[in-house]
Amino acid sequence: QVTLKESGPALVKPTQTLTLTCTFSGFSLSTTGKRVSWIRQPPGKALEWLARIDWADDKFYSTSLKTRLTISKDTSKNQVVLTMTNMDPVDTATYYCARTLDASAFDIWGQGTMVTVSS
Amino acid sequence: YVLTQPPSVSVAPGKTAIITCAGNNIGSKSVHWYQQKPGQAPVLVIYHDSDRPSGIPERFSGSNSGNTATLTISRVEAGDEADYYCQVWDISSNHPLFGGGTKLTVL
Repeated sequence: QVTLKESGPALVKPTQTLTLTCTFSGFSLSTTGKRVSWIRQPPGKALEWLARIDWADDKFYSTSLKTRLTISKDTSKNQVVLTMTNMDPVDTATYYCARTLDASAFDIWGQGTMVTVSS
Repeated sequence: YVLTQPPSVSVAPGKTAIITCAGNNIGSKSVHWYQQKPGQAPVLVIYHDSDRPSGIPERFSGSNSGNTATLTISRVEAGDEADYYCQVWDISSNHPLFGGGTKLTVL
């Protein structure tokens, strides 16, 4: 059974750096073809893809946010970490990690973690 | 590239719901659909235009041609009430792109 779970702070201040961890089970990111993405959803708004990391450690970022994002993996811990710098109130959202299929479909999602940016 | 979905669709129980996703030549892309119920994470219901993941009822089907992709839900049930999002891989930006979502209301 494949599961993913996000963890991180619920509240961050403007200009701070957000660090989120996705801990997964049921697959390994050292296996060819495996990928994990981060997606976020502001309250009442649509989904927005942020970043992806692949089994070969290839990394892909949203064009609009790439200067602020870093994605990495720890294969031994079955974890993917996303950092986002210079947080702003508009970054308030639920952040999800999801296993990603080859056609970019997200087949298994974590439960999400709500992050509020406020002073 | 922009994906356009109607903000809302309403349907009576037992009837068929049709949710559209419009995009320039979207028929040349692979379209995926997600169901998101309030307070829950999205669930993949259709991928590669018309394939259903295991566990998704046959009542859910998809098609894609020209400038419109369609998610069809037959014999709609109260439990189908949710937001539905389409998604493609955008070649121009080289990353996934979501539509704005459609709220399905079961009357």
